[in-house]
Amino acid sequence: KAGVTQTPRYLIKTRGQQVTLSCSPISGHRSVSWYQQTPGQGLQFLFEYFSETQRNKGNFPGRFSGRQFSNSRSEMNVSTLELGDSALYLCASSIGLAGGSEQFFGPGTRLTVL
Amino acid sequence: DAKTTQPPSMDCAEGRAANLPCNHSTISGNEYVYWYRQIHSQGPQYIIHGLKNNETNEMASLIITEDRKSSTLILPHATLRDTAVYYCIVPYNFNKFYFGSGTKLNVKP
Repeated sequence: KAGVTQTPRYLIKTRGQQVTLSCSPISGHRSVSWYQQTPGQGLQFLFEYFSETQRNKGNFPGRFSGRQFSNSRSEMNVSTLELGDSALYLCASSIGLAGGSEQFFGPGTRLTVL
Repeated sequence: DAKTTQPPSMDCAEGRAANLPCNHSTISGNEYVYWYRQIHSQGPQYIIHGLKNNETNEMASLIITEDRKSSTLILPHATLRDTAVYYCIVPYNFNKFYFGSGTKLNVKP
């Protein structure tokens, strides 16, 4: 069974631009969660989507948004990029909601904002 | 903010048991405790989770105190490949996972 895949793996953007990251969950998994990891803040929860609906949201500004498609694939978007958005963005999929299931993480997308 | 506290780092000799503590004094009666680990530059990996009773799987054992205010993850025979950051998590609202800083476990030969 294929694991969680994320594209692209690496991305370089400049301040003020926007970016879209993609996550393909394990087949049959209906939940996708997104996380941001930085050296200073550690691994922080962004949001979770289940059956195309956002079920939970972390403490991030509205510049961070996401969506989930009917095939469970998910995208997250960051608008008006800031230097502090440079991070590893991880997505995780689970069969059910994250709180009741094992989450499987992808390799991440490394975003650098210049 | 994470609802758990863990020591920032621990050392363990290869082949010995690694016992990683976690404090979750504000846990409520129906909240689970989850453990994940992250090996350098990889995504986190699920290890185990539990509610009240002790749990064991092929990777580890989870011992939860009777008052549920703390728990210990036990890796029975640590190997060099177990060197990683270990996260103890009690999700907010059952589904919001805040990983905190975790414990950096160094397994030494």
